[in-house]
Amino acid sequence: ETGVTQTPRHLVMGMTNKKSLKCEQHLGHNAMYWYKQSAKKPLELMFVYNFKEQTENNSVPSRFSPECPNSSHLFLHLHTLQPEDSALYLCASSQDRASGELFFGEGSRLTVL
Amino acid sequence: GESVGLHLPTLSVQEGDNSIINCAYSNSASDYFIWYKQESGKGPQFIIDIRSNMDKRQGQRVTVLLNKTVKHLSLQIAATQPGDSAVYFCAETGGATNKLIFGTGTLLAVQP
Repeated sequence: ETGVTQTPRHLVMGMTNKKSLKCEQHLGHNAMYWYKQSAKKPLELMFVYNFKEQTENNSVPSRFSPECPNSSHLFLHLHTLQPEDSALYLCASSQDRASGELFFGEGSRLTVL
Repeated sequence: GESVGLHLPTLSVQEGDNSIINCAYSNSASDYFIWYKQESGKGPQFIIDIRSNMDKRQGQRVTVLLNKTVKHLSLQIAATQPGDSAVYFCAETGGATNKLIFGTGTLLAVQP
């Protein structure tokens, strides 16, 4: 138990569907992150939020839309995805943006048909 | 560009042996390095970190060595156990962007 909970753990969606991934952290951290993990590739940083404000968008396509209503919750809204978007999406949190010690959730395995 | 890479994608060791996982980095401005462990079906988990003003740091059964001269990082695991089987990632940060950059990972397989 890392203190970071992601739901759903598995998601299968068609290219025309709209779905959302949810992340919640119980650690009192101020920074939250979305990473994409594909086979045989390094972890790819997608978005960073610090004190609910988006501080980084790593050139992510607009079909991925993050939302951070408060420091404990982070969402990733998905719309008209492509099969190549199939991956493990990891949420993480840290005390603040300067901390390199990230606490990861167990990920949401996304399959786009 | 900046990159973090691993010398060996897969490492197979016998239970009880010591394991050494290596990592090369290219950004000489990086000043903070971290090792993460990712077990099957789980997210990465912080293991140990080291700052650039140190060349060695020890934890419980793990030691991280940093050689800034050749920009090399290693993770040593003593008396490797089956529970150590996982993918190990090194990550670096520092410099102008302060972004955390992950390597591709090394799979450690512990044979009984």
